[in-house]
Amino acid sequence: AQTVTQSQPEMSVQEAETVTLSCTYDTSESDYYLFWYKQPPSRQMILVIRQEAYKQQNATENRFSVNFQKAAKSFSLKISDSQLGDAAMYFCAYRTGSGNTGKLIFGQGTTLQVKP
Amino acid sequence: EPEVTQTPSHQVTQMGQEVILRCVPISNHLYFYWYRQILGQKVEFLVSFYNNEISEKSEIFDDQFSVERPDGSNFTLKIRSTKLEDSAMYFCASSPIPGQPNPYEQYFGPGTRLTVT
Repeated sequence: AQTVTQSQPEMSVQEAETVTLSCTYDTSESDYYLFWYKQPPSRQMILVIRQEAYKQQNATENRFSVNFQKAAKSFSLKISDSQLGDAAMYFCAYRTGSGNTGKLIFGQGTTLQVKP
Repeated sequence: EPEVTQTPSHQVTQMGQEVILRCVPISNHLYFYWYRQILGQKVEFLVSFYNNEISEKSEIFDDQFSVERPDGSNFTLKIRSTKLEDSAMYFCASSPIPGQPNPYEQYFGPGTRLTVT
C-alpha cells in the first residue's frame, strides 16, 4: 500500500523569505500523481500544485515550486517570497495513475507559520 | 469558476442519530469522493463513487455509512447511527472524466463540520 510521510509537523518562515516543506512517499507504481494542498484556518482544501510522475520537469506555479525526485520518492514544496497569507497547514498527497477513480492518500500535514 | 458545494456547513447531532451530509459536485464531473478529517489530523479517504456505484471504500466506511446520488446533482453521505468518534470535518470532492483537462485532479468542497454529542 502507498504511504505519504511529512516529517515536519511545524515550520516557520520570515515574511519574504523562502521555505521548503518536505514530503516522501512509498509506492511500487511507476505511474502516479503528486499534489500539495493548502488548508487555511477555514479548513477549505486548496490545490497548490500538481506533478505528474512521468514528467521530469519540476512543476511551478508562481511562487510555489516542487523538487520532485522520483528515484528518492521525494516531493518537496518550495514557497518563495513567503506572504502572511501563506500561513496554513500544507498536505502532500498521492494518487495512483491506474484507473479513473483513484483516491488521494494524504500525509500528516505541516503547519506553516509566517512571521511578519 | 465552477465549485463543489456542501451543506450544511456545520451539523450538530446526538449520538445514535442519523445524519445526511449533502454535496453538489461540479456539474460535468462524474467521479465523486468523500473524505474526513478529525481535528488536527490528516485527511482520510472514505469512499469513491462512479456510475451509481461505489468504486472503492476504506476500512472506515463500514455498514454505518452509505452514499447515494439521489438525482443528477446531489451526492450524499449518510451515517446511520452516529458515534462520538464520527465528529470530524467531512469533505466531498469530484473529478472530471478522462478527456477533460486534469482528469486526475480532485476538487474539494468547503466541508461539513460534524459534531456528535
